[in-house]
Amino acid sequence: GESVGLHLPTLSVQEGDNSIINCAYSNSASDYFIWYKQESGKGPQFIIDIRSNMDKRQGQRVTVLLNKTVKHLSLQIAATQPGDSAVYFCAEADFGNEKLTFGTGTRLTIIP
Amino acid sequence: DTGVSQDPRHKITKRGQNVTFRCDPISEHNRLYWYRQTLGQGPEFLTYFQNEAQLEKSRLLSDRFSAERPKGSFSTLEIQRTEQGDSAMYLCASSFAGTSGRGSYEQYFGPGTRLTVT
Repeated sequence: GESVGLHLPTLSVQEGDNSIINCAYSNSASDYFIWYKQESGKGPQFIIDIRSNMDKRQGQRVTVLLNKTVKHLSLQIAATQPGDSAVYFCAEADFGNEKLTFGTGTRLTIIP
Repeated sequence: DTGVSQDPRHKITKRGQNVTFRCDPISEHNRLYWYRQTLGQGPEFLTYFQNEAQLEKSRLLSDRFSAERPKGSFSTLEIQRTEQGDSAMYLCASSFAGTSGRGSYEQYFGPGTRLTVT
């Protein structure tokens, strides 16, 4: 079946450096993508989203890039802080499909 | 706090017992979703409601699972005759769908109920 997956299960980054978290998706009908951050013992927290008619979207310290040709999504976090340590999930949905399909997550660890 | 709330946060039960979880969505949100998350995995969709109507159920939702949203506000998820494989985090999320019927994909999640079946 269609699935969303992540390239790397863990990522360690020095505090202050930029982080890049990657995600591959397989459903070519997907038209909406979201990045969530999940801290231990908490529910997923919305970070940023992007629709398929865009290839880049920026938020506060975060940028999402979408490459539909290779079905690849990335989340860039600028100037990482200790509070950025968490598991990051990408999720996708297609038009009219109300459910989100999540990948398995990448654990980001910030090294002080 | 006006976010999504879930109760209880933790539940330990013996195999074969019934459990019920509650979710209170963000007040103006008309869509409510249930997901299940096991350790190291992303959330998996179980079911969702538009107001009080249950519009989709995943094949993961066996006959032992039932969800309700009787007044279009809070929702309950009941698991009957629990099994050890039911141990997971049960997440609730809500969103707002406009009059066009198209949903808002921006789903806001609650803190989850962690179920442990012994």
